[in-house]
Amino acid sequence: DAKTTQPPSMDCAEGRAANLPCNHSTISGNEYVYWYRQIHSQGPQYIIHGLKNNETNEMASLIITEDRKSSTLILPHATLRDTAVYYCIVRLHASGGSYIPTFGRGTSLIVHP
Amino acid sequence: GAGVSQSPRYKVAKRGQDVALRCDPISGHVSLFWYQQALGQGPEFLTYFQNEAQLDKSGLPSDRFFAERPEGSVSTLKIQRTQQEDSAVYLCASSLGVVASETQYFGPGTRLLVL
Repeated sequence: DAKTTQPPSMDCAEGRAANLPCNHSTISGNEYVYWYRQIHSQGPQYIIHGLKNNETNEMASLIITEDRKSSTLILPHATLRDTAVYYCIVRLHASGGSYIPTFGRGTSLIVHP
Repeated sequence: GAGVSQSPRYKVAKRGQDVALRCDPISGHVSLFWYQQALGQGPEFLTYFQNEAQLDKSGLPSDRFFAERPEGSVSTLKIQRTQQEDSAVYLCASSLGVVASETQYFGPGTRLLVL
C-alpha cells in the first residue's frame, strides 16, 4: 500500500501562493492522489484528486510529477481561511468497491497577514 | 443541500458508561464510513457500510465498539463500557456510490471525552 510523506508544517503570507508538497514514491499505477483539508474543529473537506494529469478546480490545482512519485497542491492566492491541516492521501485499498483513505498527520498550513 | 450531520457534537461520559453516536449521511448516499481521530492525529478508519451491509469493520479497536445502519441511511456507533483511551473525535463520512474513486463528505464530528 502506498504511503505518503508530507512536511509537518508550513506557513504562507496572505495573498501569496501556497505550495504543499507530498511524496508518494510507492504509488501504483491505479492509485489516485487525493487532497483533503481539515479546519480546526471541523471534519475533513475534499479539495481535489487526480491520477496522472494535472487538475484544477475552484479551490486549488494539483500538479503530479510524470513519474507520479510526488505531487504538489497549489492554493494560488492563500487567505487566512485556508489555515488548516492538509492531508495528501493515496488510495490504500478498496472495500466492497469503495475507497477508504489513510490520512496520516498531514501538513499544518498557517496563513499569516 | 444538507451535508452530513452528527449528534451529539460533544459528549462527556464517565468511564464504564455506554454511549451512542449518531450519523445522518447525505440523502441517497450509499456508502458510509466511521473514523476515529485522536488529538493531533489524522482520522483513522473504523468501519464501512454499503447501504445496510457492514462490509468492513477491520478498524474497530475492540469488541466494545459496535456500529449499525439498519435501514441503509442513519448510522449509530455504539461504544460500551467506555474507557479513557476512547476519548477522541468520531467522524462520519458518506459518499454517493461505491466506485473506488468516490469523494467522501465528512460531518463535523462528535467529540467524546471519557472521564
